[in-house]
Amino acid sequence: KQEVTQIPAALSVPEGENLVLNCSFTDSAIYNLQWFRQDPGKGLTSLLLIQSSQREQTSGRLNASLDKSSGRSTLYIAASQPGDSATYLCAANAGGTSYGKLTFGQGTILTVHP
Amino acid sequence: EPEVTQTPSHQVTQMGQEVILRCVPISNHLYFYWYRQILGQKVEFLVSFYNNEISEKSEIFDDQFSVERPDGSNFTLKIRSTKLEDSAMYFCASSGRGNTEAFFGQGTRLTVV
Repeated sequence: KQEVTQIPAALSVPEGENLVLNCSFTDSAIYNLQWFRQDPGKGLTSLLLIQSSQREQTSGRLNASLDKSSGRSTLYIAASQPGDSATYLCAANAGGTSYGKLTFGQGTILTVHP
Repeated sequence: EPEVTQTPSHQVTQMGQEVILRCVPISNHLYFYWYRQILGQKVEFLVSFYNNEISEKSEIFDDQFSVERPDGSNFTLKIRSTKLEDSAMYFCASSGRGNTEAFFGQGTRLTVV
């Protein structure tokens, strides 16, 4: 059974810092991995999707990497801004007969203060 | 930009009552999902739906739950007899053929009293 863990559980940084959020998964046979942002009481916004054959994906100030063999993914946020404050979730997609089924981590709560 | 829409945003129901949560997935998507998030806990998979049938369901998705795609646009989750422990945020998601990037709705907060 896939287990996804995120470290740290919470992170508070001053504006402008570069930061790294970590995600680990127990079953390396994933189809892809997706990073989401969740604002309090709101839905999930997809940030980046990394296919199992890829090593990284970039979108603006966000860069996500994937190392399947070690069961790890990282989300790098450059030049953080107060508007980046949210909970960041990673989710592993099993693929195969479980196509599309996502297993989520518990999230990292990010606070960026001015 | 296309988005997944869910209604209602918040529903309060009495224990034992039936509720139907509604979702309109992105129009050209083929795969549909329901997830839930109990307050302070992880987002959990409930069920996936493709080609008018359930592809996979979790242990949570027991006989009290059912899903339906009654027409070409709506996707519903029915809870037949709600329990207090069904109180959670329920998310609908959809994805397209060959691209499993999942897009989520804003959620329905279900409160069972």
